Amino acid sequence: GEDVEQSLFLSVREGDSSVINCTYTDSSSTYLYWYKQEPGAGLQLLTYIFSNMDMKQDQRLTVLLNKKDKHLSLRIADTQTGDSAIYFCAERQGSQGNLIFGKGTKLSVKP
Amino acid sequence: DAGVTQSPTHLIKTRGQHVTLRCSPISGHKSVSWYQQVLGQGPQFIFQYYEKEERGRGNFPDRFSARQFPNYSSELNVNALLLGDSALYLCASSLGQALFYEQYFGPGTRLTVT
Repeated sequence: GEDVEQSLFLSVREGDSSVINCTYTDSSSTYLYWYKQEPGAGLQLLTYIFSNMDMKQDQRLTVLLNKKDKHLSLRIADTQTGDSAIYFCAERQGSQGNLIFGKGTKLSVKP
Repeated sequence: DAGVTQSPTHLIKTRGQHVTLRCSPISGHKSVSWYQQVLGQGPQFIFQYYEKEERGRGNFPDRFSARQFPNYSSELNVNALLLGDSALYLCASSLGQALFYEQYFGPGTRLTVT
């Protein structure tokens, strides 16, 4: 199957860390991505990880990949109100190389 | 540098009509992909074009078609519109077709079918 699954909602307090989780089913996926979508807007590429990596850090963002469990997570340190958005996990695989998205996790940051 | 641009921003059509959506990729990008995002869902892949040829197609009916022009811009056409075609249509561009090229998305065209 080609399902990417995410929890639908996450609520955190400003200054806390947020962890958004994702599971995917295709073990042949080579690249895994995190996109951010603000209301009424398109998708902003946040970060990605290649399948031979376990971790990638980019400023406040940390991506962890567990290939055995097909589990991907995005940690946002010191979460700000401007981080409130929907976060999509996506895998890219197969001969077409198209992105397969989860349904998105809506992150709400309370002041 | 300009990002991916799409036009129009919003569009309202009636059932049975057809629609044409347009996308201009980032300068230097040769691959364009189209996605449909229904409210509350993640984007679903429709087409990928590279060097003016269709390189991938998602699970969408033949009412959906697309093309890519010599300047790498692209059009998505949808015929015989249904209410279920109401969605945000996203265009993404990348340098090439290979998996290691990131896809960058435009702001989308919001299509409402009444």
